[in-house]
Amino acid sequence: DVKVTQSSRYLVKRTGEKVFLECVQDMDHENMFWYRQDPGLGLRLIYFSYDVKMKEKGDIPEGYSVSREKKERFSLILESASTNQTSMYLCASSPHHLGKLFFGSGTQLSVL
Amino acid sequence: EDKVVQSPLSLVVHEGDTVTLNCSYEVTNFRSLLWYKQEKKAPTFLFMLTSSGIEKKSGRLSSILDKKELFSILNITATQTGDSAVYLCAVEAGTGNQFYFGTGTSLTVIP
Repeated sequence: DVKVTQSSRYLVKRTGEKVFLECVQDMDHENMFWYRQDPGLGLRLIYFSYDVKMKEKGDIPEGYSVSREKKERFSLILESASTNQTSMYLCASSPHHLGKLFFGSGTQLSVL
Repeated sequence: EDKVVQSPLSLVVHEGDTVTLNCSYEVTNFRSLLWYKQEKKAPTFLFMLTSSGIEKKSGRLSSILDKKELFSILNITATQTGDSAVYLCAVEAGTGNQFYFGTGTSLTVIP
């Protein structure tokens, strides 16, 4: 069974902290994505990556960075967390040849 | 600007009812349209549609795409409480692997 694993289901952080959200997929997919999901706004793309060490900005990259040192792992970094980054974060992966996203279970991040 | 719009935003029905969820889109270089079901966890894949007029079916769920009118519908017949979820529509467009999401339709099925 295909699997996308996000390291934390719930996370509470303080304003100004550096936050790491980890995502690992076991399907050898080339593409990986980070979305945030907010009520009334749907899923919005933060960053994505088509290959190792490669990254592209999505629609809302401000305040975030990413790292993809290995094919299976895609990390989202909040350099200095702010309250407006409280959200559900969803990681997804997809193979190049198939336009279908596989999602992780999500991380509900609260920044106090 | 590429856009995906879902309607209604929310829906409350009784068990046994039939529901129709709508998804319209305006994108450049359409590739496929996908439906996902999201309960309190990861969105799970339901259907991928690429060809117009061909119905995809899985049990009580079915979906069809109209590429001329730029929309898709998701039908659920004989609804059950387990169908309560947010249903997401996504469109893959552009040069590939760019996905645009609607805001979702929240379905509540009352016993």
